[in-house]
Amino acid sequence: GENVEQHPSTLSVQEGDSAVIKCTYSDSASNYFPWYKQELGKRPQLIIDIRSNVGEKKDQRIAVTLNKTAKHFSLHITETQPEDSAVYFCAASRTGGGADGLTFGKGTHLIIQP
Amino acid sequence: KAGVTQTPRYLIKTRGQQVTLSCSPISGHRSVSWYQQTPGQGLQFLFEYFSETQRNKGNFPGRFSGRQFSNSRSEMNVSTLELGDSALYLCASSFGSLKGDEQYFGPGTRLTVT
Repeated sequence: GENVEQHPSTLSVQEGDSAVIKCTYSDSASNYFPWYKQELGKRPQLIIDIRSNVGEKKDQRIAVTLNKTAKHFSLHITETQPEDSAVYFCAASRTGGGADGLTFGKGTHLIIQP
Repeated sequence: KAGVTQTPRYLIKTRGQQVTLSCSPISGHRSVSWYQQTPGQGLQFLFEYFSETQRNKGNFPGRFSGRQFSNSRSEMNVSTLELGDSALYLCASSFGSLKGDEQYFGPGTRLTVT
């Protein structure tokens, strides 16, 4: 089955700096890669996703890049703000999660230092 | 429109008992997936239902089961509870397209087994 590795497990950055979280996956048939943000005690929230026919996607301060050949994808957050502090999860699936489930990375605890 | 809802939000059970958790998807969504979240194992896929049929399941023992009703609401059942079943159980809903669509999570049910 699919295996998703996520690094780093903890990331501390100064407010205003950029943060990058990286994930690798094992199943070459995976073609849907979402990122979720989970604040303490709350549900995971989808912040951005990318499909295999696209190499990069951007939404304001958040961007995701995908390298299908190398089987890795990354989340980039620019101009970090205190409200960006949370645990971020990457995930992968073949069909978009609706049918075959999402395989998640172990999460990255992002800490924004004031 | 209303988000994904789960009941109950908190449960305390004793080893050997069974438990039933409920999930109501976003209106119009026909797919419901269930996930277990623990500090050690992270987010793990349990199973997914679409139009009252289980389409896929993760690597969990048969004590974990589920069903879906004609209104897309879903329940999951855990029989013969073990201490290790203590976790946050999350459900997520989507349209269920095989082409891939976003999954939206409920707030979860926190199950504690004593």
